[in-house]
Amino acid sequence: EVQLVESGGVFIQPGGSLRLSCAASGFTFTNYGMTWVRQAPGKGLEWVSAISGSGVTTYYADSVKGRFTISRDNSKNTLYLQMNSLGAEDTAVYFCARGLATSPFSSSDYWGQGTLVAVSS
Amino acid sequence: QSALTQPASVSGSPGQSITISCTGTSSDVGGFNSVSWYQQHPGKAPKLMIYDVTKRPSGVSNHFSGSKSGNTASLTISGLQAEDEADYYCNSYTSSSTLVFGGGTKLTVL
Repeated sequence: EVQLVESGGVFIQPGGSLRLSCAASGFTFTNYGMTWVRQAPGKGLEWVSAISGSGVTTYYADSVKGRFTISRDNSKNTLYLQMNSLGAEDTAVYFCARGLATSPFSSSDYWGQGTLVAVSS
Repeated sequence: QSALTQPASVSGSPGQSITISCTGTSSDVGGFNSVSWYQQHPGKAPKLMIYDVTKRPSGVSNHFSGSKSGNTASLTISGLQAEDEADYYCNSYTSSSTLVFGGGTKLTVL
C-alpha cells in the first residue's frame, strides 16, 4: 500500500526556517517524481515545488523561489522541503504527493494527509 | 503564474450532469495536454480524478470525464451523486516549467 506521511509542521515566527519531511512507503521511491502543494486556511491549492525521481531536476513556484529548497534522499525514501525566510503568506497545510511517473510534472495520484505550517509572531 | 480560472460554484440535482470549466492561456492549458482534475472533500487530501486532459486513473468512476478546447479544459460529471459534492481543482503544466492550479469550484448536489 502506498503511503506518504508528512511531518515537521509547526508554529513559527516570521523570518524563521523549517524543514518538512515526507516519508514514503509501498512503492519504489526513485521511480516517481514528487511534488509539494500547499493550501492556506480556507483557500485553494497552490503548487509549490517538484522534483524528478532521480532528484537531479527541481522546479519552484515564483512565490517560493530562492527561499524554499526541495530535495530527496532515495536511500531513505524521504522527500524534503527546506523553507527559509518564512512569512505569514506561507501559512498553509503542506501536502506531499507522488507523481504518476518519474517526471516532476506528472499528475499526483497519491497524497499525504498534510502538515500545518503556521507563521505568526 | 496566474491561477487558472474556474467558476466559484456550480450545482446540480442527483442524476443530472454538470460541467466545470478551467480557462487558461496558450502558455498552459492551450499549449499542453497536461491538464489534471482533483476532487477534495473538506479536511481531506485531494484525489486525482482526471489526468492528461481525458484519462481516468484506475478506480475513478466513469461518470467523470475530461475534455479540452483551445485554452479551456472541462470536467463533466454525469449522473450526479451526493458523494460528488466537493471542491474541484484543475491543474496544468505551463511553458515556464511550473504547474498551476485553478482557483477551485465548489460543487453542491441539491
